[in-house]
Amino acid sequence: GIQVEQSPPDLILQEGANSTLRCNFSDSVNNLQWFHQNPWGQLINLFYIPSGTKQNGRLSATTVATERYSLLYISSSQTTDSGVYFCAVMTSGTYKYIFGTGTRLKVLA
Amino acid sequence: ETGVTQTPRHLVMGMTNKKSLKCEQHLGHNAMYWYKQSAKKPLELMFVYSLEERVENNSVPSRFSPECPNSSHLFLHLHTLQPEDSALYLCASSVRLAGSPNEQFFGPGTRLTVL
Repeated sequence: GIQVEQSPPDLILQEGANSTLRCNFSDSVNNLQWFHQNPWGQLINLFYIPSGTKQNGRLSATTVATERYSLLYISSSQTTDSGVYFCAVMTSGTYKYIFGTGTRLKVLA
Repeated sequence: ETGVTQTPRHLVMGMTNKKSLKCEQHLGHNAMYWYKQSAKKPLELMFVYSLEERVENNSVPSRFSPECPNSSHLFLHLHTLQPEDSALYLCASSVRLAGSPNEQFFGPGTRLTVL
C-alpha cells in the first residue's frame, strides 16, 4: 500500500518564526488533506490540496503531485499553532485516507 | 465546530461491559468513517460507510461492531474489549461523489479507557 512520511517528526520554534512541514507519499494520489490536531484531540481541517497551492492567513500549502510531496508553510508562528500536523492521502479507486505519522510542533512564547 | 458531533467524549469501561459510541453529522454528507488513534501511532481507519452500506472493514476485531442506520448517524458498538483497545476514537464524514473532492471532516473524538 501507499506509504506516507512526514518530516520533521518534532519541531520546536520561538513565537514569530517560520517553518515548513513536508509530506512525502509513495504513489499517485487524488485526494490530500492537511490537518492540525489540537491538544484536546480535535482534528481541524487546514487544507484540501491534491495539487497546486493554497493560502489561508498565515498558513499556505503546496502539493506537487507529479513529484509526490506536499509542503505546509507556517509563518509568524503563534503558541496556538502548537499541536500535531498530519497529512492524509487517498489513491483513486479506494475509500480510505492513509495518514502520516505527523509532525509535533511546539511554539514557545 | 466541524458539523460532526460525537458522544460520549470520555468513556471508561470494564472488559465485560457493552457500550456504544455515537456520531452524528450535520453536513449533508453521504459517507461516514470510524478511526482509531492509539498513543504514538498514526490514525488507523476502522470502517467506512457509503450511502449507509459498509464498504470498508479494515481487519477490525469482531468486538467492534459498527452500525449506520442512516446517512447522518454512525454507531460503534463495543463488547468485551481489551485494555489495548484504549484509544481516541474519531468519527469523520465526507461527500463521496465521482469526480468531486473527498474532504473529510472530523468529530471531537471519544477518549476510551478499558480497565
